[in-house]
Amino acid sequence: AQSVAQPEDQVNVAEGNPLTVKCTYSVSGNPYLFWYVQYPNRGLQFLLKYITGDNLVKGSYGFEAEFNKSQTSFHLKKPSALVSDSALYFCAVRPIHGSSNTGKLIFGQGTTLQVKP
Amino acid sequence: DAGVTQSPTHLIKTRGQQVTLRCSPKSGHDTVSWYQQALGQGPQFIFQYYEEEERQRGNFPDRFSGHQFPNYSSELNVNALLLGDSALYLCASSFARSGDTGELFFGEGSRLTVL
Repeated sequence: AQSVAQPEDQVNVAEGNPLTVKCTYSVSGNPYLFWYVQYPNRGLQFLLKYITGDNLVKGSYGFEAEFNKSQTSFHLKKPSALVSDSALYFCAVRPIHGSSNTGKLIFGQGTTLQVKP
Repeated sequence: DAGVTQSPTHLIKTRGQQVTLRCSPKSGHDTVSWYQQALGQGPQFIFQYYEEEERQRGNFPDRFSGHQFPNYSSELNVNALLLGDSALYLCASSFARSGDTGELFFGEGSRLTVL
């Protein structure tokens, strides 16, 4: 079965320090991977995606993610955290490739990022 | 450029009732998907609509049904509500020609509380 795991319920970092939010996946074939952020009582906002090519993907708001095929991981990173980055972060995988499958993503449980001043 | 819009934002129902949630996709998008997000959980895929037909369905009972209109907007209907249906319901839109490499754009959700 295709799945996504986010092993940390919460990550705490100090403002200005680097942050990492972990994600591992289990899929057959080449994965299409996504990161979304959710602020309280809001919908999900797209941050970045990995489809193919360079293992380091850059996205919105200074975030980047590193795809590691051998470790089946897609960790979200940011060199210098801001208090405003505090939110709920979701990793997701598109499970089946095909032109009819644009709508389905499998999400992890989410990781709450808390950035303290 | 309007993003994905959902209505209502909040609603309260009692067990056994029926509810209809509405979604207008982002301008230019033709595919709508619905997700259920229970408190403290990640979103769970309910189904996807394209060309007014249900194209894919997640592991949800037949009490969950939907519709897509010619203008690409969509409705999610839930019959015989259970307490466990209390959740944030998210609508997401995409453009079919982007294929499976395209990202989804989400609305802010409809918060359903079942008493």
